Amino acid sequence: QVQLQESGPGLVKPSETLSLTCTVSGGSIRNYYWSWIRQPPGKGLQWIGYIYYSGSSNYNPSLKSRVTMSVDTSKNQFSLKLSSATAADTAVYYCASSEATLKMDYWGQGTLVTVSS
Amino acid sequence: EIVMTQSPAILSMSPGERATLSCRASPSVNRNLAWYQQKPGQAPRLLIYYTSTRASGIPARFSGSGSGTEFTLTISSLQSEDFAVYYCQQYDNWPPLTFGGGTKVEIK
Repeated sequence: QVQLQESGPGLVKPSETLSLTCTVSGGSIRNYYWSWIRQPPGKGLQWIGYIYYSGSSNYNPSLKSRVTMSVDTSKNQFSLKLSSATAADTAVYYCASSEATLKMDYWGQGTLVTVSS
Repeated sequence: EIVMTQSPAILSMSPGERATLSCRASPSVNRNLAWYQQKPGQAPRLLIYYTSTRASGIPARFSGSGSGTEFTLTISSLQSEDFAVYYCQQYDNWPPLTFGGGTKVEIK
């Protein structure tokens, strides 16, 4: 069974870039689509985007101008960068895997990122 | 963008009761709809996909139905571990993938 683990700074200053990495174990990163999803405290889920092992990606239009995703197949990792962070980006960030249908089969435990000076 | 609306926001139930959760899509998502369960401090867990197919390891008391714009998640007899927040998600037309706002099933 695929397992995912998010890592990265828990505190980011406003206007800086939020950067997270998800490490995949128990399976090859070549077999799935890899998404980032976030959840502001006490609120619902927002899909940020996905990346495929080939490097092809698709982002939420509402965040597209600030999002960059990348994949490192040698390390079985994929990453998220969200530029120009504001307090509105404070959330628990999850990485998740899916097949081409894009239902989220497996999720990481999530990591809280707070944007504050 | 497809808008997903869940109702009710909060469902107060007793253990052993039957729970019915609703998810409405605008416009149609055919049958490309999934349900997730989220407990406090945990990641969401996939319960149902393609409207009515249970994910691996999901008990038979969870069932899904619907098509097009109206969908239902039914929990036939609530167990203590079922009190949680439930989200629907469409994967028919994207980007973006979209989720409903969630239904919290709480103990009455």
